[in-house]
Amino acid sequence: KAGVTQTPRYLIKTRGQQVTLSCSPISGHRSVSWYQQTPGQGLQFLFEYFSETQRNKGNFPGRFSGRQFSNSRSEMNVSTLELGDSALYLCASSPGQGHSGNTIYFGEGSWLTVV
Amino acid sequence: QQPVQSPQAVILREGEDAVINCSSSKALYSVHWYRQKHGEAPVFLMILLKGGEQKGHDKISASFNEKKQQSSLYLTASQLSYSGTYFCGTEGDDYKLSFGAGTTVTVRA
Repeated sequence: KAGVTQTPRYLIKTRGQQVTLSCSPISGHRSVSWYQQTPGQGLQFLFEYFSETQRNKGNFPGRFSGRQFSNSRSEMNVSTLELGDSALYLCASSPGQGHSGNTIYFGEGSWLTVV
Repeated sequence: QQPVQSPQAVILREGEDAVINCSSSKALYSVHWYRQKHGEAPVFLMILLKGGEQKGHDKISASFNEKKQQSSLYLTASQLSYSGTYFCGTEGDDYKLSFGAGTTVTVRA
């Protein structure tokens, strides 16, 4: 079965612009999480959606937002981009939400460069 | 809160063993281990649950000390394919899966 698909894979934006990243989870998975990965910082949790509801949120400013659609596909949006937002954004899907003991599966990520 | 991983990096020769440690300051429900190779997505290795259940890779072993909120991943008889960055993810009562900064493993022939 197809894995987690993220689009676009690479993009370059200018400071002040906004960006929308898309994630299609594995078929049947209802939970989608987003992570920001930068060198030395590891994977920083952004938010988790389950059945179209945000279940959990990390410590990121309000410029970072997301949503999930009825087909479990998810988007994340970053407004007023800053140079420090340059990172690999990873989406992960899971059959269930937290405390379920389910494995999460990562997509290959979207590389965002802000200039 | 991010778990703390140690060491930050380790270099091994093929066939050698290594241990990667992960500790958290909060009570844990589960610990997840992933390996990421450069330019690729993190790949699931193992999940350890409170109560002792484990699911994962049959060639990699790990332990979970619930009382100490610590987990260790054991790389035994390492192979070249074991090279990559290993991340532990911890899930507490807040339902968030938080990852450590990673341990870079280099296995040389």
